[in-house]
Amino acid sequence: RKEVEQDPGPFNVPEGATVAFNCTYSNSASQSFFWYRQDCRKEPKLLMSVYSSGNEDGRFTAQLNRASQYISLLIRDSKLSDSATYLCVVTDTGRRALTFGSGTRLQVQP
Amino acid sequence: DVKVTQSSRYLVKRTGEKVFLECVQDMDHENMFWYRQDPGLGLRLIYFSYDVKMKEKGDIPEGYSVSREKKERFSLILESASTNQTSMYLCASSLQGWHEQYFGPGTRLTVT
Repeated sequence: RKEVEQDPGPFNVPEGATVAFNCTYSNSASQSFFWYRQDCRKEPKLLMSVYSSGNEDGRFTAQLNRASQYISLLIRDSKLSDSATYLCVVTDTGRRALTFGSGTRLQVQP
Repeated sequence: DVKVTQSSRYLVKRTGEKVFLECVQDMDHENMFWYRQDPGLGLRLIYFSYDVKMKEKGDIPEGYSVSREKKERFSLILESASTNQTSMYLCASSLQGWHEQYFGPGTRLTVT
């Protein structure tokens, strides 16, 4: 079983739609959680951290459910520029490194 | 702005060759990482380093070694390249602790 699992998609949504991605992690001791964004043929970049109480950054909302070991990302009012692959990332408590999911691809259509 | 640079964007090598991939960061970050990224598998950690001359194995260290002689530079070495090491290689750096990782643009390595 992968440590971090994501639906690979693609999610094809029209502009203005609301879309949500989920991610599950297997290590109950994982401490920190992030969403990274990777544009086609580009390097990953941090989108947002995920806090226990949930957090929002503009049109993006991240939630963490420790009991069920999943993280979610909600994007409201999708823009064409949101088209990218979204990577779910958790920390590995045994070492100072991150574990990445394989990503969910989002394609926003005009 | 943090900048992480990698020595080549594209590289083609033959099976059995020794391959050096160089990574340099300009923000005095303590931690540096090497990943490979393959379709459907995501980013997988090869090696990382949290200080000069320190290194730790990641999830897939076999067939690779690393060198960190200076804080800003982290090298990935393929001792004897094989076709299953054809991949996108990404270097990253971060401050001490669980901070944001900054990635380089990647090196697409093809081993024939």
